[in-house]
Amino acid sequence: RKEVEQDPGPFNVPEGATVAFNCTYSNSASQSFFWYRQDCRKEPKLLMSVYSSGNEDGRFTAQLNRASQYISLLIRDSKLSDSATYLCVVTPKITNSNSGYALNFGKGTSLLVTP
Amino acid sequence: EAQVTQNPRYLITVTGKKLTVTCSQNMNHEYMSWYRQDPGLGLRQIYYSMNVEVTDKGDVPEGYKVSRKEKRNFPLILESPSPNQTSLYFCASSLSRQGVWETQYFGPGTRLLVL
Repeated sequence: RKEVEQDPGPFNVPEGATVAFNCTYSNSASQSFFWYRQDCRKEPKLLMSVYSSGNEDGRFTAQLNRASQYISLLIRDSKLSDSATYLCVVTPKITNSNSGYALNFGKGTSLLVTP
Repeated sequence: EAQVTQNPRYLITVTGKKLTVTCSQNMNHEYMSWYRQDPGLGLRQIYYSMNVEVTDKGDVPEGYKVSRKEKRNFPLILESPSPNQTSLYFCASSLSRQGVWETQYFGPGTRLLVL
């Protein structure tokens, strides 16, 4: 089983819609969680960190459910400019070891917001 | 300006001709990493480095080498490139703070075509 799994989509939604993405992870000891946004042929850029208490940034809300091992991203009032691929990133806990720190990316969920 | 730089941005080469893609960051980050991105496969980690002289294999290390002689630089070496290494490559760096990974910053990407 892959460590991080996302529904690849594509999600096609009209402007103004609310859309939600989920991402599941297999390692219960995972420490940090992030959502990145990647535009076509560009580098991924941080969208939001995901905290245990959940966090909101404007139209974007991220939540973490440790018990069920998933994180979610909710986008309200979708804009055309939200069209992109959204990557879920799960990172391991840092210990005194110098190995085993591969960061786990999901394959991404593609979102297309249409007029 | 805090950034990760990669060179070259675009490269066309032939099978077997050794090449190096450079990566440099100016944020004093301990952690640096190389990824390749291919359609349908998402971002896959090639190698990562926890600090100077500390490197470890990611998911797809075959055919690649890295070195970390200085904190700011993390070159990716293809000793004998093959066509299946045609891909989009990203370098990234991040900082750990209080035992937690911070945001990863990505370079702009290197498009490699091996003929």
